[in-house]
Amino acid sequence: DTGVSQDPRHKITKRGQNVTFRCDPISEHNRLYWYRQTLGQGPEFLTYFQNEAQLEKSRLLSDRFSAERPKGSFSTLEIQRTEQGDSAMYLCASSSALGTFTDTQYFGPGTRLTVL
Amino acid sequence: AQSVTQLGSHVSVSEGALVLLRCNYSSSVPPYLFWYVQYPNQGLQLLLKYTSAATLVKGINGFEAEFKKSETSFHLTKPSAHMSDAAEYFCAVSVSGNQFYFGTGTSLTVIP
Repeated sequence: DTGVSQDPRHKITKRGQNVTFRCDPISEHNRLYWYRQTLGQGPEFLTYFQNEAQLEKSRLLSDRFSAERPKGSFSTLEIQRTEQGDSAMYLCASSSALGTFTDTQYFGPGTRLTVL
Repeated sequence: AQSVTQLGSHVSVSEGALVLLRCNYSSSVPPYLFWYVQYPNQGLQLLLKYTSAATLVKGINGFEAEFKKSETSFHLTKPSAHMSDAAEYFCAVSVSGNQFYFGTGTSLTVIP
């Protein structure tokens, strides 16, 4: 068990550019979550997957945000046409769900995005 | 809709003193409640969770929390603070297991 990993850890981009972040969950976990955390705030839920199915995406912040988990393993979060307001820490978490919703989420270290 | 409110964005305690971090929740159905800790430059780590079993929940590192439905509270306590407890603490609520709502966090400082 190597934990949840995220890549890159830091990303600096110019406004208008597209960025993509990767999350590798704990290998046996079938659920994967994305959050955004801004300074002084708690994590804000964005979306989650069970295996490769994206079961909740209504909380994605705009249509510029999209996420995929093509083979039910790693996931990517893409932000198109970045804006300065997108600057934040993007967190990924994974968990093992067997029909129960009390499963523990394990968080990765996050990707810090700075939009200039 | 579900939400949590953490009273006090910053709490300072002396080493060895009681730690009390407050969390109140809002939920129209019985919630699942969580406390997470975030150390500098590290990911969030689960301290404890309430899942409708015992109302007093014991977690890691000597922390515990009590679910009080009448007060809609889930305060986090530790009898004796250690320097290593200095961190950011987040309360979170979930009712569906699909979406989790976090509070704004409480930064705990431990004074030697």
